[in-house]
Amino acid sequence: AQTVTQSQPEMSVQEAETVTLSCTYDTSESNYYLFWYKQPPSRQMILVIRQEAYKQQNATENRFSVNFQKAAKSFSLKISDSQLGDTAMYFCAFVEGAQKLVFGQGTRLTINP
Amino acid sequence: DGGITQSPKYLFRKEGQNVTLSCEQNLNHDAMYWYRQDPGQGLRLIYYSQIVNDFQKGDIAEGYSVSREKKESFPLTVTSAQKNPTAFYLCASRPFVRGNYGYTFGSGTRLTVV
Repeated sequence: AQTVTQSQPEMSVQEAETVTLSCTYDTSESNYYLFWYKQPPSRQMILVIRQEAYKQQNATENRFSVNFQKAAKSFSLKISDSQLGDTAMYFCAFVEGAQKLVFGQGTRLTINP
Repeated sequence: DGGITQSPKYLFRKEGQNVTLSCEQNLNHDAMYWYRQDPGQGLRLIYYSQIVNDFQKGDIAEGYSVSREKKESFPLTVTSAQKNPTAFYLCASRPFVRGNYGYTFGSGTRLTVV
């Protein structure tokens, strides 16, 4: 079974700092998709960024970027110039041929003023 | 605006009762999913459906049932067989398009057993 592991249950940084959230996954497939979702206190799940495994280039969305290491099965999220509104739970997720989205346990990120 | 509507936002269930959580989407998405979220455990898949009148069990289907009579609707029934139903329930949908561009989520239903 596919698994997703987020090894940092909680993280805390100062506003404007850069923070990196870690994620590793396990799969025997060669083509799949990876996502980072944000869940603020409202509990709405918001897609932050996505990566297709067959693409070598790391995805970037404004202040959010990923470091995708396919051989190491690693998919970390970097948030640059962090803002108070970035405070949320962040979930790494994975989907392959069965089209079932599998989530990690989440990292609670707090941005301090 | 297109999206997913989950209702009610809060639901209270007495011991032994069945309750049904509603999930409606107007995105013309093909697949729909139900997830359960408990504190510190991420999201776990309960059931999913890729076409009308067909659905598959997820990782924690025991004590739950679903139906998919219309493309837009995917209600979840929490039966009395579910021993610990207190949780946050999220519905999601996805179109069948080339590649996979993420899922759209509803705003959730908080179910509490009283």
